[in-house]
Amino acid sequence: KAGVTQTPRYLIKTRGQQVTLSCSPISGHRSVSWYQQTPGQGLQFLFEYFSETQRNKGNFPGRFSGRQFSNSRSEMNVSTLELGDSALYLCASSPSGSWGETQYFGPGTRLLVL
Amino acid sequence: ELKVEQNPLFLSMQEGKNYTIYCNYSTTSDRLYWYRQDPGKSLESLFVLLSNGAVKQEGRLMASLDTKARLSTLHITAAVHDLSATYFCAVVRGKLIFGQGTELSVKP
Repeated sequence: KAGVTQTPRYLIKTRGQQVTLSCSPISGHRSVSWYQQTPGQGLQFLFEYFSETQRNKGNFPGRFSGRQFSNSRSEMNVSTLELGDSALYLCASSPSGSWGETQYFGPGTRLLVL
Repeated sequence: ELKVEQNPLFLSMQEGKNYTIYCNYSTTSDRLYWYRQDPGKSLESLFVLLSNGAVKQEGRLMASLDTKARLSTLHITAAVHDLSATYFCAVVRGKLIFGQGTELSVKP
């Protein structure tokens, strides 16, 4: 079975621009979660989607948004980029998002904001 | 607000030695994950602990959960260089709340 895939893997943007990241979960998985990893703040939860609905959201400003499509693929968007948005963005998938299931992480998208 | 604290944050070990990484959390949760991350790589799931007293072992790693003490441990037995990585615990509270990570370096 193919693992979680994320595109693009690397991205360089400038302040004020917007960016869209994509995540394709493992086939059959319906839950997708997004995380931001930075050296200063560590790993932080952004949001979780299940069956095209956002079920949970972390403490990030409204510039961070996401969506999920009917095939469970998910995108996250960051508008008006700031330098502090430079991070590794990870998505994870699981079959139903219930706690106790293993969450499988993708390779991540490394975003650099200049 | 749930806080998850790992101890130590950095650990330099010699091959063949044993050590334990501690994960303390501040509010009730009965589910906890352990992950491994190699430099520049993503997270690899190691263990999912689902109840008080749960113990899981895989190779040289053993994880346990004490929900009453709000403590999980990751014990490393007879460390080898291949175990060098950063280890994260993550507590479930409607979402995963991660600890800061423990950077483990195993030296010959």
